Amino acid sequence: DAKTTQPNSMESNEEEPVHLPCNHSTISGTDYIHWYRQLPSQGPEYVIHGLTSNVNNRMASLAIAEDRKSSTLILHRATLRDAAVYYCTAWTDKLIFGTGTRLQVFP
Amino acid sequence: GAVVSQHPSRVICKSGTSVKIECRSLDFQATTMFWYRQFPKQSLMLMATSNEGSKATYEQGVEKDKFLINHASLTLSTLTVTSAHPEDSSFYICSATPGRRRTEAFFGQGTRLTVV
Repeated sequence: DAKTTQPNSMESNEEEPVHLPCNHSTISGTDYIHWYRQLPSQGPEYVIHGLTSNVNNRMASLAIAEDRKSSTLILHRATLRDAAVYYCTAWTDKLIFGTGTRLQVFP
Repeated sequence: GAVVSQHPSRVICKSGTSVKIECRSLDFQATTMFWYRQFPKQSLMLMATSNEGSKATYEQGVEKDKFLINHASLTLSTLTVTSAHPEDSSFYICSATPGRRRTEAFFGQGTRLTVV
């Protein structure tokens, strides 16, 4: 199982961009990189996923390194509602979560 | 987006009893479902992976006889905690996906189990 490493916490001000990094150096060539976020006492929410190319959706952008050993989740303009724990996962046959990054957003 | 309904959201039971948690995919067929438990301020810990019609695959250290998982249909999976003990008190979360890693996973709202 590919292991992911993320910083424990990050801070941002409202309306500023946020770059959340993730290392997944043991990822295999067919593992998709997924990002989810979780609010307290709720199930995780899907954010974005990709394989090799950068991906954009209405919530965020995902930048994947050329060697696929790392990726960055980009929130273009953080809002207070973006405060959550963000998990980066490398989906093999299982969806295993690492420790995640707790994002704080200040007004 | 797709919806996964998990029920009940909260349950309190006595030690020694069994509790069943249901996870339903409401608008798609879930070929794979995952079950997690989460302790306060910790990450989600995968308990088992179940594919419709097959026996669940349990993670190391998870007792299959204690945590019974059934995935009898493409829209329903159940987790039964048997002979519950206070240390089984936790937040249990299910996830369902219509495919494998190419598609996103959708999560239930979680079940807070308290064993007294």
